[in-house]
Amino acid sequence: KAGVTQTPRYLIKTRGQQVTLSCSPISGHRSVSWYQQTPGQGLQFLFEYFSETQRNKGNFPGRFSGRQFSNSRSEMNVSTLELGDSALYLCASSLAAGHQYNEQFFGPGTRLTVL
Amino acid sequence: TQLLEQSPQFLSIQEGENLTVYCNSSSVFSSLQWYRQEPGEGPVLLVTVVTGGEVKKLKRLTFQFGDARKDSSLHITAAQPGDTGLYLCAGRTGNQFYFGTGTSLTVIP
Repeated sequence: KAGVTQTPRYLIKTRGQQVTLSCSPISGHRSVSWYQQTPGQGLQFLFEYFSETQRNKGNFPGRFSGRQFSNSRSEMNVSTLELGDSALYLCASSLAAGHQYNEQFFGPGTRLTVL
Repeated sequence: TQLLEQSPQFLSIQEGENLTVYCNSSSVFSSLQWYRQEPGEGPVLLVTVVTGGEVKKLKRLTFQFGDARKDSSLHITAAQPGDTGLYLCAGRTGNQFYFGTGTSLTVIP
């Protein structure tokens, strides 16, 4: 079974631009979560989607948004990029949301650098 | 605000030594997970603990969930170079996981 795929793997943008990252979950998984990982703040939750609906949202500004399509693929968008948005963006998929044994399978991430 | 604090932040040990990583919080979690992340990859789940006081063993790794479900520890016996990586704990509250600050482990052959 193919794992979680994220595209692109690396991205360089300049301040003020916008960016869209893509995530394809494991086949059959309906929940997709997004995380931002930086050396200073560690791994922080952005949002979770399940069946095309946003179920949870972390404490990030409105410049960060996402969506999920009917095939469970998900995209996240960051508008008006700032230097501090440079990070590894990780996508995780799981079968369903809400169960305490819910195992998240992470993709390799997209490394975003903002210049 | 970090809900989960891990210690130590960095650890460098010789092959064959034992080590313990701690994950502490003032919050109560319904479950706690441990992950290992290697460079260029996403975190990989090692274990999920749910019950206060629960102990789980995975070969040379022993995981314990605190009685009050606020803290956890990971003990590695006879560490090997293949154990090198970033170890992350993640506590679940409601429908959200909160990740710890991470412990970077290097095992020197």
